[in-house]
Amino acid sequence: DSGVTQTPKHLITATGQRVTLRCSPRSGDLSVYWYQQSLDQGLQFLIQYYNGEERAKGNILERFSAQQFPDLHSELNLSSLELGDSALYFCASSVAGLAGPRSEQFFGPGTRLTVL
Amino acid sequence: AQSVTQLGSHVSVSEGALVLLRCNYSSSVPPYLFWYVQYPNQGLQLLLKYTSAATLVKGINGFEAEFKKSETSFHLTKPSAHMSDAAEYFCAVGQGAQKLVFGQGTRLTINP
Repeated sequence: DSGVTQTPKHLITATGQRVTLRCSPRSGDLSVYWYQQSLDQGLQFLIQYYNGEERAKGNILERFSAQQFPDLHSELNLSSLELGDSALYFCASSVAGLAGPRSEQFFGPGTRLTVL
Repeated sequence: AQSVTQLGSHVSVSEGALVLLRCNYSSSVPPYLFWYVQYPNQGLQLLLKYTSAATLVKGINGFEAEFKKSETSFHLTKPSAHMSDAAEYFCAVGQGAQKLVFGQGTRLTINP
């Protein structure tokens, strides 16, 4: 158990819908990262937050957005869902974002999103 | 930008045999390198990391990796495979101060 929790574990929805994925980082970790894992794209970095502020953006679509709240939990919002958005979405946390490469990222168990 | 290439999407070894999973990186700056393991239906777990200290890095579950700058490689090895090692393994490089860039993954199968 990494200490990072993600809910829900599974999510099945229809095209055009909007969903919210939730992540609670390990106690004391200030940075939260979101990754998407799909068969065709592999593991892709989406976005990072550090202590409530956006720090880095990766291959995140405009239909996707995220935020980190004062209690440090984070939510990833996916809207106007398409079939191709079906994937496993991971959240990871680390102690510090600025020293990111030195800091181990602890991964949650993921949310499996299926868009029908 | 940094990148990672894992040679072989699927590796199969016999139980008790040497495990060798290959990873080559591209980086214009000294890299921070990681190996993660993903068991079926689970998240990623860190096996080991290289952060410019010793070039031979020991990790959990008997795995180790050697950083070779001249070859831009960070191959993962384990002297004797166990059935429980069957999983997908990802090599990653830390880019900038934020994200991890992952390789495509190598699925390791252990034959009894």
